Amino acid sequence: GNSVTQMEGPVTLSEEAFLTINCTYTATGYPSLFWYVQYPGEGLQLLLKATKADDKGSNKGFEATYRKETTSFHLEKGSVQVSDSAVYFCALSEGSGNTGKLIFGQGTTLQVKP
Amino acid sequence: DTAVSQTPKYLVTQMGNDKSIKCEQNLGHDTMYWYKQDSKKFLKIMFSYNNKELIINETVPNRFSPKSPDKAHLNLHINSLELGDSAVYFCASSLRTSGGDEQYFGPGTRLTVT
Repeated sequence: GNSVTQMEGPVTLSEEAFLTINCTYTATGYPSLFWYVQYPGEGLQLLLKATKADDKGSNKGFEATYRKETTSFHLEKGSVQVSDSAVYFCALSEGSGNTGKLIFGQGTTLQVKP
Repeated sequence: DTAVSQTPKYLVTQMGNDKSIKCEQNLGHDTMYWYKQDSKKFLKIMFSYNNKELIINETVPNRFSPKSPDKAHLNLHINSLELGDSAVYFCASSLRTSGGDEQYFGPGTRLTVT
């Protein structure tokens, strides 16, 4: 079945450091890929998405490129801030069946220290 | 204005009780979902409705029964609560069931079964 694997956390960085959170997926067909962010005590918010191979999603300084050849969708940010501290989820939505079903990775906690 | 709202935010109850969680979206979306987030923050879909019709039912015990009185509401009723039901339950909605559509999440309901 389809699945998403993220790097283990927690990830602890100093402010202004470079961030990479790895995400790889297994899927049949042509899934859409997402990064969602969950701030403490809140629901998930869409951070960025890509719906086909080689698309780059970007938002708030975060970027991720849909790499079909390596089945990856790694999240990057050039300079993190304390306010970026949250749990980040990589997810895919199956391309066939059109149910909208999201399959999530296990989440990666990011802590940014001043 | 809150896009996806859930009530209650916290629910503490004893084993064997029956409880309900309500969800409402004011986005005009056709599709609504219930997700369960366990203590390790892993998210898994439980149900999905499209225009009041059940389209996803993910091997959830039949003690869980979703009900969609109209496309803006999706409630979750849980019978005979067990300790393992303790989790955060998130409601979400999307415009359609298309795989590329963003899902909007509610703030979550933290259920604690004692």
